[in-house]
Amino acid sequence: ETGVTQTPRHLVMGMTNKKSLKCEQHLGHNAMYWYKQSAKKPLELMFVYSLEERVENNSVPSRFSPECPNSSHLFLHLHTLQPEDSALYLCASSQEGQGSGYTFGSGTRLTVV
Amino acid sequence: EDQVTQSPEALRLQEGESSSLNCSYTVSGLRGLFWYRQDPGKGPEFLFTLYSAGEEKEKERLKATLTKKESFLHITAPKPEDSATYLCAVRSTNAGKSTFGDGTTLTVKP
Repeated sequence: ETGVTQTPRHLVMGMTNKKSLKCEQHLGHNAMYWYKQSAKKPLELMFVYSLEERVENNSVPSRFSPECPNSSHLFLHLHTLQPEDSALYLCASSQEGQGSGYTFGSGTRLTVV
Repeated sequence: EDQVTQSPEALRLQEGESSSLNCSYTVSGLRGLFWYRQDPGKGPEFLFTLYSAGEEKEKERLKATLTKKESFLHITAPKPEDSATYLCAVRSTNAGKSTFGDGTTLTVKP
């Protein structure tokens, strides 16, 4: 366990479904992130919540919607996804202001059918 | 825009055969350069942070070094359990996020 827990580990959903990914960190960090990792591509930042402020990557489609109710929990709400959205979705946390690295969860392997 | 380029894309070594991985970067002002290790089906695991040129960090068989344009991850006498994808990332002084490279996949044969 890294201190960042993601659920579920695997998810298969149809294009008309609505689902949510959950992330919880037990490290007392003040920033949380959603990254997308596709085959043969670098990690792609989707959303950042830093000191309760949300920073978006403007290229992320609106079918992905983040929610951060407090500094320990992060959700990614999914609706009407496309097959190309199939990927490993990684949550990470860090302590901003210290220039430290990220602590990642194990990820959710998402398959859209 | 921050950029990170890692080479080679893949590296195959015999056990005990030392080598280096390269990470070239472009940032407006470096806040930190990070190395991670990622095993299949898992999230990246943080290894090192380097902050300024000339800095070095070591952990077991791994040693990371930093210049103003690139970083090297030296692997001394690798073992099969060192097989993984190694990711490099940079964070600039005016960005609230890290930019990652594509990674180098290392395979160490016994």
